[in-house]
Amino acid sequence: QSVLTQPPSVSGAPGQRVTITCTGSSSNTGAGYDVHWYQQLPGTAPKLLIYGKNYRPSGVPDRFSGSKSGTSASLAITGLRAEDEGDYFCQSFDVSLSGYVFGSGTRVTVL
Amino acid sequence: QVHLVESGGGVVQPGTSLRLSCVTSGFDFSNFAMHWVRQGPGGGLEWLAVTSFDGRMKSYAGSVRGRFTISRDNSENTLYLQMDSLRGEDTALYYCVRDRGFNWNDAIGFDYWGQGTLVTVAS
Repeated sequence: QSVLTQPPSVSGAPGQRVTITCTGSSSNTGAGYDVHWYQQLPGTAPKLLIYGKNYRPSGVPDRFSGSKSGTSASLAITGLRAEDEGDYFCQSFDVSLSGYVFGSGTRVTVL
Repeated sequence: QVHLVESGGGVVQPGTSLRLSCVTSGFDFSNFAMHWVRQGPGGGLEWLAVTSFDGRMKSYAGSVRGRFTISRDNSENTLYLQMDSLRGEDTALYYCVRDRGFNWNDAIGFDYWGQGTLVTVAS
């Protein structure tokens, strides 16, 4: 059972916008800790997609954006493309656990 | 270019031990906190342990605390994970991961991941 809750799957047609939610609690996302997002394409290691308030590492297209409000965070993908298919994980720090926590992961499918 | 290369995985019996290594290159290893993260057969990511840049501060997930030990050798640019009393539920792909910061609790994201080493615990 993951500390951060994500929907198991989301889907959309090419060019559409999809959103993935990540819900935590007062000991992690609600405690002021940033939520970071990782993309895992099939057969590869996870890759940092969004960090901090809404920063993208070099090479990540601006079709990806992050936001956070209270205990929840969201990852938005606009202009959905076939190569976006994969798993997406949110991550934060939990002060009660004195450690890091991941979301359960969301599978993105491009129809 | 940043490289993280894990090794040491394999098939072991329950109750035994294994030590994973992660050789790094392309950055100043002694300036970054480092983590171990695993991915089980179900596909979820589980954070396991972190060490600060100098190895003085460490923290563990509850599922491995007391059984796993994270350590680092900054002179060899290498991260380790000593895994004792292994159980079937420890079967997973184990990733070595670089933190963007240098303290164990900077909480600013994990920016580089290795390709992982597979550990299978079965009798």
